[in-house]
Amino acid sequence: AQSVTQLGSHVSVSEGALVLLRCNYSSSVPPYLFWYVQYPNQGLQLLLKYTSAATLVKGINGFEAEFKKSETSFHLTKPSAHMSDAAEYFCAVSEGGTSGSRLTFGEGTQLTVNP
Amino acid sequence: DAGITQSPRHKVTETGTPVTLRCHQTENHRYMYWYRQDPGHGLRLIHYSYGVKDTDKGEVSDGYSVSRSKTEDFLLTLESATSSQTSVYFCAISDFRDNYGYTFGSGTRLTVV
Repeated sequence: AQSVTQLGSHVSVSEGALVLLRCNYSSSVPPYLFWYVQYPNQGLQLLLKYTSAATLVKGINGFEAEFKKSETSFHLTKPSAHMSDAAEYFCAVSEGGTSGSRLTFGEGTQLTVNP
Repeated sequence: DAGITQSPRHKVTETGTPVTLRCHQTENHRYMYWYRQDPGHGLRLIHYSYGVKDTDKGEVSDGYSVSRSKTEDFLLTLESATSSQTSVYFCAISDFRDNYGYTFGSGTRLTVV
């Protein structure tokens, strides 16, 4: 069975500060890992994904995430927050490569960016 | 963006009435999913499909049924709507070509009064 834990349902940062959103997972097989972003009244949009290639993954809008197997983590970072980054962020895991593998989502982290 | 559309975008219905939500894709993806999103619960899987006429239950399937008669359409039916089914419903599609990452529709906001 797979599961995802996102530490902190709400994170608040100042504009220009580092963004760090935490995600830990459990999976019985090598995972595929994803970060999604959801802006108000919209669907979820893929930010980045890890699929067993490079452990440091770069995504859209300046975000990146590092897969750390020893820590079972896939934290999302951005060096400098922008007001437009305010949104809800979801981490998700699948049992990578399994035919029709379903994603399991964390409960989400609401990011607030203060001017 | 992948071609996936949900209809309607908003709906208000009365308790006890049946409701059908539609998800339509133009990407020829094999897998389709229905989720509901509620505050404090994140995204919860209702039903999913792994091919035409092949569907299975997710974690919150009670009170819902689905049908997939062709690749591009996945219908979610609330057999007799209840207030607890007031939610935002998202459809998603996936395929091995995208490492099974999901592409989401824009959602349907359903209110049961």
